[in-house]
Amino acid sequence: SQQGEEDPQALSIQEGENATMNCSYKTSINNLQWYRQNSGRGLVHLILIRSNEREKHSGRLRVTLDTSKKSSSLLITASRAADTASYFCATQAPDYKLSFGAGTTVTVRA
Amino acid sequence: ETGVTQTPRHLVMGMTNKKSLKCEQHLGHNAMYWYKQSAKKPLELMFVYNFKEQTENNSVPSRFSPECPNSSHLFLHLHTLQPEDSALYLCASSRLQGGDTEAFFGQGTRLTVV
Repeated sequence: SQQGEEDPQALSIQEGENATMNCSYKTSINNLQWYRQNSGRGLVHLILIRSNEREKHSGRLRVTLDTSKKSSSLLITASRAADTASYFCATQAPDYKLSFGAGTTVTVRA
Repeated sequence: ETGVTQTPRHLVMGMTNKKSLKCEQHLGHNAMYWYKQSAKKPLELMFVYNFKEQTENNSVPSRFSPECPNSSHLFLHLHTLQPEDSALYLCASSRLQGGDTEAFFGQGTRLTVV
């Protein structure tokens, strides 16, 4: 069953700008993960944040997690054309199952 | 490359055909998954295998039949599919130990049913 829901569905920004997308989920989780997918290809793991963490950084990526609101955000700073892709959040339940949302499609204009 | 290989990359089949999708990983992972990705929809988890044992079957129609002969290989056998089964089929693997598990995905098989 779907767990994460991303918002917005699509995002178009100028190169150099920041991109922010959000994810909401419904039930308790062990962790929340963000993945990236280039058109028609497999998903690539970007970053994982545990349920007892509030913020995490990896390069130009910043992820926050608010378990009280059951929401997470992914911020991509100083975007590049190569960041154009779909971004998915995935929640890992205590039974290890990973549930994905429908994704946010990000277009970075040169 | 993620270490998970899917073949074929593209497949066109008629509704009366029988075909199989193959997934292979040599990452030492003990869990393998099949997901279906349709346009504008969340990834749908179809099957999960943990140490070669099927632990999840999310009400998938019997025209999809998984097979996991060992922890490195996973197949999805297809027969009498419908046009609405056209989608990107993704295989993933992970190591199920400890609290966190990161999934490694193959490039997917783009299936078109005609």
